[in-house]
Amino acid sequence: SQQGEEDPQALSIQEGENATMNCSYKTSINNLQWYRQNSGRGLVHLILIRSNEREKHSGRLRVTLDTSKKSSSLLITASRAADTASYFCATDAGGSNYKLTFGKGTLLTVNP
Amino acid sequence: DAGVIQSPRHEVTEMGQEVTLRCKLISGHNSLFWYRQTMMRGLELLIYFNNNVPIDDSGMPEDRFSAKMPNASFSTLKIQPSEPRDSAVYFCASRDRVRALNEKLFFGSGTQLSVL
Repeated sequence: SQQGEEDPQALSIQEGENATMNCSYKTSINNLQWYRQNSGRGLVHLILIRSNEREKHSGRLRVTLDTSKKSSSLLITASRAADTASYFCATDAGGSNYKLTFGKGTLLTVNP
Repeated sequence: DAGVIQSPRHEVTEMGQEVTLRCKLISGHNSLFWYRQTMMRGLELLIYFNNNVPIDDSGMPEDRFSAKMPNASFSTLKIQPSEPRDSAVYFCASRDRVRALNEKLFFGSGTQLSVL
């Protein structure tokens, strides 16, 4: 079963706009990670946020975590055409110290 | 560092044939994961190794699937006999578990498997 579920399934925006993707999960976690996958490639780690953190930044990325709502959001500011990819959240499924479970992802299309 | 290396990139085979997928870990990493990705089911964890030992194979779909880690840097995933429903992209990923728990995974580029 899916631990994390991303929303929306697909998002299309114009270059320069901000993109927000959401992730909901079911059980308690130690941390939550976001990954990016370009078409035909493997996943690439973007950012990790621990359960005791509420917000984290990395370049144009901003991640928030609300453990009370079991949800996280990924914000990409000033999007570029090169940001076009699928974005996945991954959680460690409550207590497991190795098993990362991925959602089905959000397909982001940034139009030039 | 070349990253996680998978081979082949694409495999087309006929139902009933044996398929072997290969993965080379990043040097120094000691945890290995095999995932399968399909449109319907997303990314599914098949098996996890730590220090060459299989820790969790609960995601391996059937006895037709087997995975080995003969040394610290190399792993194989074998499907025998293959079936059309095994068609998917298979990823391996490695992690340096020594540094910290729950650290990020490094993925290979995947093997696109088509079973006709």
